Amino acid sequence: DAGITQSPRHKVTETGTPVTLRCHQTENHRYMYWYRQDPGHGLRLIHYSYGVKDTDKGEVSDGYSVSRSKTEDFLLTLESATSSQTSVYFCAISESEGIGRETQYFGPGTRLLVL
Amino acid sequence: AQRVTQPEKLLSVFKGAPVELKCNYSYSGSPELFWYVQYSRQRLQLLLRHISRESIKGFTADLNKGETSFHLKKPFAQEEDSAMYYCAQGDGGSQGNLIFGKGTKLSVKP
Repeated sequence: DAGITQSPRHKVTETGTPVTLRCHQTENHRYMYWYRQDPGHGLRLIHYSYGVKDTDKGEVSDGYSVSRSKTEDFLLTLESATSSQTSVYFCAISESEGIGRETQYFGPGTRLLVL
Repeated sequence: AQRVTQPEKLLSVFKGAPVELKCNYSYSGSPELFWYVQYSRQRLQLLLRHISRESIKGFTADLNKGETSFHLKKPFAQEEDSAMYYCAQGDGGSQGNLIFGKGTKLSVKP
């Protein structure tokens, strides 16, 4: 499974608390992505990273921040969790160079419930 | 804005029947196109990609530029094919971003 792990796998938190999700890869891929998956919406890109300390916003970035201090780790932070952020969060990686460069490989997901 | 459309939220077929999952994209050039599959409560897995022209688990997908479609097909559905299927296209940028459809849930009945 492409050497991608996410932690925690499940999280229950209360509205207003900060939450950090971690994505860890062992593939040394340059590009990393955070998505959220919601019924009726499919997968939506939150933020992505194209290198250490290089990140950019995706389609649904409001309320989220990210950091990438090492190639292997990409952190997603909900500064003050809201119930609308209850979702399943997936991390993905890609080499993003060469033929088939946009092929992304996904982590196992984190189920987050904000009460 | 670029968009990937999967018109069916749910597709239900009987085992052994042919199945076609529809996908239409909006990119005007030559997009990179993918199908991902997600079995119950698991991670998304790459099923196939247009550039490879491969057949995985009996599934194939043909790019039709005239209709801007990339439909996924299998001649004889199996119960283990029951899953969520997502079509995705590359956005054509240098960052390798993908645009996903909303997904189609395939249910194969015995």
